[in-house]
Amino acid sequence: KNEVEQSPQNLTAQEGEFITINCSYSVGISALHWLQQHPGGGIVSLFMLSSGKKKHGRLIATINIQEKHSSLHITASHPRDSAVYICAVRNTGNQFYFGTGTSLTVIP
Amino acid sequence: DSGVTQTPKHLITATGQRVTLRCSPRSGDLSVYWYQQSLDQGLQFLIQYYNGEERAKGNILERFSAQQFPDLHSELNLSSLELGDSALYFCASSVGPPGYNSPLHFGNGTRLTVT
Repeated sequence: KNEVEQSPQNLTAQEGEFITINCSYSVGISALHWLQQHPGGGIVSLFMLSSGKKKHGRLIATINIQEKHSSLHITASHPRDSAVYICAVRNTGNQFYFGTGTSLTVIP
Repeated sequence: DSGVTQTPKHLITATGQRVTLRCSPRSGDLSVYWYQQSLDQGLQFLIQYYNGEERAKGNILERFSAQQFPDLHSELNLSSLELGDSALYFCASSVGPPGYNSPLHFGNGTRLTVT
């Protein structure tokens, strides 16, 4: 049983397209994190959410606590956005659960 | 640059051996987290320390142990290594204590290969 489910697993987009990655979770959470992992392996935290919506540049993250769902949107996608995007939740017991990641490839 | 330093970057060792991975958190961060990323299991949370005390434990094997020192750096000790322990081990830090949500800052990871 996976506490965090992401979709899609793989995504290929043309440069400039609007991209959405979805995350559903089954546990009560204190926060949800969106992470980006590049082919070299390093992980960067993009957003931490406990409610509502956050925006940073071309990236937007939303969360609906009642529906236990979050989305990560990338507007005007660019080849440098190619990476694996991972949804992670921290439950109220301070445990972390991770999705299996969405591998995004943006073609010029 | 996240400000989190992990050493070594790569480690190759044999089954049955013991290794120590080191993490220096970002300046000002009191919480340190350890995660394991393997090909078959993805990312898994191992353990969290806050200001020297263990505060949350995840899927950490009994062969593994960790500690956080007074200068806030942390070490993850892996013993009686098995082939299945080959993975990327990440350290992350954050400013807040458990129950206080603050952004995570990840190190570049240590790639452990057990042969």
